[in-house]
Amino acid sequence: GNSVTQMEGPVTLSEEAFLTINCTYTATGYPSLFWYVQYPGEGLQLLLKATKADDKGSNKGFEATYRKETTSFHLEKGSVQVSDSAVYFCALSLNTGNQFYFGTGTSLTVIP
Amino acid sequence: EADIYQTPRYLVIGTGKKITLECSQTMGHDKMYWYQQDPGMELHLIHYSYGVNSTEKGDLSSESTVSRIRTEHFPLTLESARPSHTSQYLCASSETRVQGYNEQFFGPGTRLTVL
Repeated sequence: GNSVTQMEGPVTLSEEAFLTINCTYTATGYPSLFWYVQYPGEGLQLLLKATKADDKGSNKGFEATYRKETTSFHLEKGSVQVSDSAVYFCALSLNTGNQFYFGTGTSLTVIP
Repeated sequence: EADIYQTPRYLVIGTGKKITLECSQTMGHDKMYWYQQDPGMELHLIHYSYGVNSTEKGDLSSESTVSRIRTEHFPLTLESARPSHTSQYLCASSETRVQGYNEQFFGPGTRLTVL
């Protein structure tokens, strides 16, 4: 089947620390991969995406590389800010399908 | 500006009341979705639609119903609200593409509290 497994939280970091949130997937076809971010009291916003193996998605200092050999799409940021405090969701979509498969979300809190 | 809207943003209501959560999108997307998000953050798909007059139940069983009479509008109705329906409800939409990913766009959510 299709599924996404992401690192459990909550994660607490000091400002300017390095961030990694692990995400691995299982897919029956060739998925596209996404990271979404949810700020308190809001809906999900697309953070970055990658549609094929070895693609790197990047946005707002966040990066993730589509690794087919390890079925992973880990989210990284070199220096987090307090404003990055949010919940992060890894997700996959199959090009022929109608559904997204979301991970369970990882809560990140950045303290000054 | 193309967007997806949900109203109300917050709703507190008594047990047994009928409620409708509104969702509208101006992007012309054919697919629309309703998710229920529990306090543990996990998203559960409860309904989706491929287009006008198409509705399907999602992975999580829900007592709510949906309709899709117009492309841009996908309301969710609870005939008799109960405390167990207390949750955050998120609406999303996406566009069918012949090739490539089908990114989902989300509304801001409705936080429902049933007393």
